[in-house]
Amino acid sequence: DTGVSQNPRHKITKRGQNVTFRCDPISEHNRLYWYRQTLGQGPEFLTYFQNEAQLEKSRLLSDRFSAERPKGSFSTLEIQRTEQGDSAMYLCASSLLLGPNTEAFFGQGTRLTVV
Amino acid sequence: TQLLEQSPQFLSIQEGENLTVYCNSSSVFSSLQWYRQEPGEGPVLLVTVVTGGEVKKLKRLTFQFGDARKDSSLHITAAQPGDTGLYLCAGNQRDGGSQGNLIFGKGTKLSVKP
Repeated sequence: DTGVSQNPRHKITKRGQNVTFRCDPISEHNRLYWYRQTLGQGPEFLTYFQNEAQLEKSRLLSDRFSAERPKGSFSTLEIQRTEQGDSAMYLCASSLLLGPNTEAFFGQGTRLTVV
Repeated sequence: TQLLEQSPQFLSIQEGENLTVYCNSSSVFSSLQWYRQEPGEGPVLLVTVVTGGEVKKLKRLTFQFGDARKDSSLHITAAQPGDTGLYLCAGNQRDGGSQGNLIFGKGTKLSVKP
């Protein structure tokens, strides 16, 4: 199966520590998205890449968050100096941009718990 | 910023009942997607609607895109416990004329009791 893969599936960290998550998209997909989801809510957009270029970043995104997609393939999302409010499910999705209609396919997510 | 509003937020029904959930916006979308998400998992794409007035069927699920491409509905016939989950609609944001990120509604949490 060559779906979107996210690692780790779960991460527990102490407040103040840095964490990094990885996302491997579907291989031919040129777009990669990061979302954050808290319990009972829809996914909240964080950022997205087209190939290796980061095209958009949410204005709500703290400067403690940074994402990279160095070769236009996998991506990493780093959170520095984690806070309890960062506890959430972090979702990655990828898509192949063909015209104006984008179908995104999601990974299983990384559940972050900050204690 | 374009917003998608979903209703109802929660829905609890008995097995065998029919239901409809709604996704509304004041903005026009080139397409809307519907996803289903189970606890602890990522959303799974169910369908994409593209043409105004379009109706798509997926077994007992019927999806409709409004004529003006501002709203969509999902109708489930004879719901089963396996339909339980969070149903999300999503559309491509078009701010500033660029093809931007995919934005989501807050979802409808459906519970189907046996």
